[in-house]
Amino acid sequence: DTAVSQTPKYLVTQMGNDKSIKCEQNLGHDTMYWYKQDSKKFLKIMFSYNNKELIINETVPNRFSPKSPDKAHLNLHINSLELGDSAVYFCASSHPIGRGEEEAFFGQGTRLTVV
Amino acid sequence: RKEVEQDPGPFNVPEGATVAFNCTYSNSASQSFFWYRQDCRKEPKLLMSVYSSGNEDGRFTAQLNRASQYISLLIRDSKLSDSATYLCVVNKRSGNTGKLIFGQGTTLQVKP
Repeated sequence: DTAVSQTPKYLVTQMGNDKSIKCEQNLGHDTMYWYKQDSKKFLKIMFSYNNKELIINETVPNRFSPKSPDKAHLNLHINSLELGDSAVYFCASSHPIGRGEEEAFFGQGTRLTVV
Repeated sequence: RKEVEQDPGPFNVPEGATVAFNCTYSNSASQSFFWYRQDCRKEPKLLMSVYSSGNEDGRFTAQLNRASQYISLLIRDSKLSDSATYLCVVNKRSGNTGKLIFGQGTTLQVKP
């Protein structure tokens, strides 16, 4: 009964390929996020969506394109993968600020390795 | 300057020790504050929210000082299972949603 689930858990692919990571949450949250955790373990926000609407795009290359078909799903598509894209990508969801329940719940992560 | 700064450690302490982590944030518009815990190769999970009045959850005590833009976490009677990375997190309003900004984390290793 996973709250935030993302697939795949591991992804190994060659440079230049296009890949997608899927994320789904069953918590009824309006807000979903993609975070990237690099080799130095620093978690950086990439995108935030609220009710399917893009709210935050943190200077991410346009090779990265999020898509939210509904508020329970936020997928991440990456074109023309580069070596530097290797990282762990976390999906998360939360209630919006102001509701008093702002804890973010994270998926288990997708470990992307570009070779 | 990073928006949320933490000492990365590692902090190596014996079982039973008391250990304190500190965190500073640069944006005074920050709305809410948290400590998350991340185990090796796992996702971050909420440890506790942090309030101006201070709050305690068992062996864990969190404090917030808005004037100094400073957050702390105190762990008493450390257990081996406390070994993890502790992430200071600030939630800043961005439009009608929030933006979680993470510190780089402080690594704790509790040894027998």
